[in-house]
Amino acid sequence: QKEVEQNSGPLSVPEGAIASLNCTYSDRVSQSFFWYRQYSGKSPELIMSIYSNGDKEDGRFTAQLNKASQYVSLLIRDSQPSDSATYLCAVLYGGSQGNLIFGKGTKLSVKP
Amino acid sequence: DGGITQSPKYLFRKEGQNVTLSCEQNLNHDAMYWYRQDPGQGLRLIYYSQIVNDFQKGDIAEGYSVSREKKESFPLTVTSAQKNPTAFYLCASSVSHRGAGNTIYFGEGSWLTVV
Repeated sequence: QKEVEQNSGPLSVPEGAIASLNCTYSDRVSQSFFWYRQYSGKSPELIMSIYSNGDKEDGRFTAQLNKASQYVSLLIRDSQPSDSATYLCAVLYGGSQGNLIFGKGTKLSVKP
Repeated sequence: DGGITQSPKYLFRKEGQNVTLSCEQNLNHDAMYWYRQDPGQGLRLIYYSQIVNDFQKGDIAEGYSVSREKKESFPLTVTSAQKNPTAFYLCASSVSHRGAGNTIYFGEGSWLTVV
């Protein structure tokens, strides 16, 4: 069974620090990886997508992918209290969005 | 504005009732999806549709039904056969159903509570 694992947290970091969120997945036949942010009671919003090994940066966010280790991470630099949310990792198995599997999310708390 | 509109935002269902959640998108996306989210849980796929007049079951389709008569619309009916329907329901869409680069975007969600 294809799975996506995330530490549920909460992960607590001080304002201005780097938050590191991790995700592992079970199947090597994975093509695309997504990070969504979900505020309490709201719908998920896309932060980053990554398809190739290595790092992808967008503003304060960096996604890192290591397919050999089946590991994807999200770094948030200069964390702000507004970053406090649950971060969902999603992995696409195969070429069909019907096979997009979500982790249960990591709750991040940024303390002022 | 382009986007995905779900209604109602909050809905209460009595035991034995069927209820329908609306989802409309004006993004010209071909593919649409329904997910369910329970507290502390990840999203689980209920149904998805790649094209008008066609749809496929996801992981937890029992007790739900959908239709796709128009490209813009993908309503979800929660039937009385769904024994534990209280959850947050999310409609989503993507440009197409296939392709590694296609990203799924979500509507604002609908909260369904059984009373």
